[in-house]
Amino acid sequence: DSGVTQTPKHLITATGQRVTLRCSPRSGDLSVYWYQQSLDQGLQFLIQYYNGEERAKGNILERFSAQQFPDLHSELNLSSLELGDSALYFCASSGNEQFFGPGTRLTVL
Amino acid sequence: AQKITQTQPGMFVQEKEAVTLDCTYDTSDQSYGLFWYKQPSSGEMIFLIYQGSYDEQNATEGRYSLNFQKARKSANLVISASQLGDSAMYFCAMRELIQGAQKLVFGQGTRLTINP
Repeated sequence: DSGVTQTPKHLITATGQRVTLRCSPRSGDLSVYWYQQSLDQGLQFLIQYYNGEERAKGNILERFSAQQFPDLHSELNLSSLELGDSALYFCASSGNEQFFGPGTRLTVL
Repeated sequence: AQKITQTQPGMFVQEKEAVTLDCTYDTSDQSYGLFWYKQPSSGEMIFLIYQGSYDEQNATEGRYSLNFQKARKSANLVISASQLGDSAMYFCAMRELIQGAQKLVFGQGTRLTINP
């Protein structure tokens, strides 16, 4: 158990819809990173938050947004969903290593 | 930009044998970190081992060791005495500094199958 929690574990929705993925970092970690794992793109960094502030952006689409709350949990919002957004979404928190949550598997039909 | 290359899409190994998973990297940074993760069929990403670029000794964690050859820019994962439960995807990753923050850049992975 990495200590990073993510909900939900699975999400099935339709094109055009909006979903919210939730992540709680390990106790004591201030950073949350979001990654997307898809068959064609592999594992890609999306965005990082540190203590409530956005720190870095990767290959995150404009339809996607994230935030980190005062209790340090983070939410990744995906809107106007397309078939190609189907993927495994991970969050990670870190000290020196990055520990990953169990992931949310999103299926867009 | 940093790059990670894993040249073995798949490997098949007999149980109890040692296995080496290859990873080469490309970076112009002097300070960097290298990671290996295991992803079983259930999907979670399990941290295995970490090597810092300035670490003198190769990292070891139980049956896992990292064969770090800095001049060759390689960071191969060695699993000793493989077990059936080692069957999984294995990803090599490098920590990259971006905009003052850190992110991981991943290779494409190697699918390891342990045969009984």
